[in-house]
Amino acid sequence: NAGVTQTPKFRILKIGQSMTLQCTQDMNHNYMYWYRQDPGMGLKLIYYSVGAGITDKGEVPNGYNVSRSTTEDFPLRLELAAPSQTSVYFCASLERTGDYEQYFGPGTRLTVT
Amino acid sequence: AQSVTQLDSHVSVSEGTPVLLRCNYSSSYSPSLFWYVQHPNKGLQLLLKYTSAATLVKGINGFEAEFKKSETSFHLTKPSAHMSDAAEYFCVVSLSSGYSTLTFGKGTMLLVSP
Repeated sequence: NAGVTQTPKFRILKIGQSMTLQCTQDMNHNYMYWYRQDPGMGLKLIYYSVGAGITDKGEVPNGYNVSRSTTEDFPLRLELAAPSQTSVYFCASLERTGDYEQYFGPGTRLTVT
Repeated sequence: AQSVTQLDSHVSVSEGTPVLLRCNYSSSYSPSLFWYVQHPNKGLQLLLKYTSAATLVKGINGFEAEFKKSETSFHLTKPSAHMSDAAEYFCVVSLSSGYSTLTFGKGTMLLVSP
């Protein structure tokens, strides 16, 4: 199993551009999550999904959109990138709720200038 | 609502000395608690988790943590620090029900000197 994979690893965007951060997991997990990590801060939840076709907002959803058309993929879309979206983005997946560990991808480092 | 407070932003120790990273939590329900480690420019790795079984939890690389409900604490310890332990550590709380969304502390940077 590759686990949770994210692409790209790094990206520089200009203000106002758009992009999609890709996240794929091969563990057949129903639950998937997107977090952002800012310097000196813990991770904050952007969006999450409890299964294909079902998504919901987390703590910091503004400026982002998600979709979940398959169990494996959970892309995060940035429309009209802003400097405040400069961050490291982590995708995670979970087998089922309760006492189980979330598995994290390696992250995407995004800079908006 | 749930929240996590990591009491130290930085902890410095010498190699071979004990490590203590402090974490207090707040949760309206029975929480699950985790410690994750992040090495520079890497993803997050689970060190250990508390899931309402034994209050003393042993994790990887010699780390352990004790859940103290009366003190709402979940401090991380290791008897003897190694240079490879230098990293950022996150205390995390999750509700045992619902969608298992995680709430992270701000992190504690552990510095280990020779």
